Amino acid sequence: ETGVTQSPTHLIKTRGQQVTLRCSSQSGHNTVSWYQQALGQGPQFIFQYYREEENGRGNFPPRFSGLQFPNYSSELNVNALELDDSALYLCASSLLTGQGYNEQFFGPGTRLTVL
Amino acid sequence: ILNVEQSPQSLHVQEGDSTNFTCSFPSSNFYALHWYRWETAKSPEALFVMTLNGDEKKKGRISATLNTKEGYSYLYIKGSQPEDSATYLCAAYNFNKFYFGSGTKLNVKP
Repeated sequence: ETGVTQSPTHLIKTRGQQVTLRCSSQSGHNTVSWYQQALGQGPQFIFQYYREEENGRGNFPPRFSGLQFPNYSSELNVNALELDDSALYLCASSLLTGQGYNEQFFGPGTRLTVL
Repeated sequence: ILNVEQSPQSLHVQEGDSTNFTCSFPSSNFYALHWYRWETAKSPEALFVMTLNGDEKKKGRISATLNTKEGYSYLYIKGSQPEDSATYLCAAYNFNKFYFGSGTKLNVKP
């Protein structure tokens, strides 16, 4: 077990709705990344937060937004849900230092279904 | 966008066989290469993070090498066991972004 938790485990929404997914980082980690994983594909990088600021962003539209809190937990918000947003959403926490990038520890994921 | 490719897509081996997979990535603007093991119904688990050309890392029966000049990494499993059955993912990291391959799904038959 990595110590990274995500909630909820499963979620069903309808097109046009908004959703918030939550992630608690492993203790001592200062960076959180969010990924979307569709069936049969590798995880697609959505964005990364480092010390409460967005630190990198993948090829996702602005309706995907996020927050990182002072305790380094994080939220992923998706507005105006589309059918193609149905996927497994993973968060991963890590410790980013001046020496570079350390391994990521993944949570169990949130399965989002958009009807 | 950085294109990361993994091969083969899937692999079936017998218990005791040794096997290897490939991860290819653009060699320019490279910063780090990550390997993960993802077992069904579990979270992806970090195996290795490599940054330097020629890096070799080992964890038990699993090892990995990195060639940043030609843009590839190999993952080796010696004496495969049924518990090694999983999807193995690689991810290249640069400019504060991760780019994952689609993974190699390994099935080890007892």
